[in-house]
Amino acid sequence: DVKVTQSSRYLVKRTGEKVFLECVQDMDHENMFWYRQDPGLGLRLIYFSYDVKMKEKGDIPEGYSVSREKKERFSLILESASTNQTSMYLCASRGALPEGYGYTFGSGTRLTVV
Amino acid sequence: TQLLEQSPQFLSIQEGENLTVYCNSSSVFSSLQWYRQEPGEGPVLLVTVVTGGEVKKLKRLTFQFGDARKDSSLHITAAQPGDTGLYLCAGDGNYGGSQGNLIFGKGTKLSVKP
Repeated sequence: DVKVTQSSRYLVKRTGEKVFLECVQDMDHENMFWYRQDPGLGLRLIYFSYDVKMKEKGDIPEGYSVSREKKERFSLILESASTNQTSMYLCASRGALPEGYGYTFGSGTRLTVV
Repeated sequence: TQLLEQSPQFLSIQEGENLTVYCNSSSVFSSLQWYRQEPGEGPVLLVTVVTGGEVKKLKRLTFQFGDARKDSSLHITAAQPGDTGLYLCAGDGNYGGSQGNLIFGKGTKLSVKP
């Protein structure tokens, strides 16, 4: 069964901490994505990557960075966590177009910044 | 900017009723997908529609892509409590510019009461 695995389901961090969210996929997909999901705002794209060591800003990249050193792993970094970054974070991967239509999502990480 | 508008935002119905969820845009999409998300989990792909006018069925769920590829609908027949969840539509925009990104609607939260 193909999978996208996020390292933590729940995290509680303090304001100002550096936070790492890890995502690993076993489908050899080129494209990987980080979203945050908030009530009333839907899914908002933070960063994405279409190849190793490549990254592109999404709609809300401020306060975040990413790393993709290996094809299967895409990490989201909160440089200095703030309370407005409390959210559900979703990682997804997608194969190369046009064959790979759908996203495969991880189960999400519920991050609370206190 | 391509946008997808979903309606209704919330839907609460009794078991056995029928319902339709809409996903509309002023933009043309090369394909459109529907996902279902249960609380605390990531979205799961239900279907992809590609051809204008296409209709796909998944048990009691019927998905339709508009002739002009600007809109889609999801119809559920005889809803059951297990259908409860957040339904998301997502569109593939311009291949050249999107790098594999999907554009998501904000979702329809469905509650089916026994």
